[in-house]
Amino acid sequence: RKEVEQDPGPFNVPEGATVAFNCTYSNSASQSFFWYRQDCRKEPKLLMSVYSSGNEDGRFTAQLNRASQYISLLIRDSKLSDSATYLCVDGGSQGNLIFGKGTKLSVKP
Amino acid sequence: EAQVTQNPRYLITVTGKKLTVTCSQNMNHEYMSWYRQDPGLGLRQIYYSMNVEVTDKGDVPEGYKVSRKEKRNFPLILESPSPNQTSLYFCASSRTMGVETQYFGPGTRLLVL
Repeated sequence: RKEVEQDPGPFNVPEGATVAFNCTYSNSASQSFFWYRQDCRKEPKLLMSVYSSGNEDGRFTAQLNRASQYISLLIRDSKLSDSATYLCVDGGSQGNLIFGKGTKLSVKP
Repeated sequence: EAQVTQNPRYLITVTGKKLTVTCSQNMNHEYMSWYRQDPGLGLRQIYYSMNVEVTDKGDVPEGYKVSRKEKRNFPLILESPSPNQTSLYFCASSRTMGVETQYFGPGTRLLVL
């Protein structure tokens, strides 16, 4: 069974800290990956797509390591508003998304 | 505004009483799917649809039915709900299957007594 494994956390960090999440996937044929953000009791929303070697968007950087089959998300200069659960998603080789269980981040003042 | 809507947002029902959760999207997306989210288990796919009249089972289809008679609507039907179907349900849509961004509805909290 194809799976995505994430460190569940919680990660408790002070404002301004740099925090990194890792995620491993089992399907070596997968071509695309995503990080979604989910606030408490709300719907997931796309944070970043991760193609080929990685992607950067402001304070957020996602890396893909195909050889080791893992994806990482780095958040620099953490803000209080970054507090959420981050879902690692395998786009799959047949199209259906496979979600990790999520990593909870709490940024403290 | 581009969106996915679900109704109802909250529902308390009793075992065996048939219910339908509606899902509608206004983005002309071909692909739609239903997920349930439970503590410790993450998001699990129930059913998906690649286009009108095309539906297929996801990871946890037992106890659910779906239909896709129109492109914009994808209702989830629980013919005889049971307490183990108490969960948070999300509908999602995307332009096509696979690498496209999925847009999620706001969720439906279901409690089956």
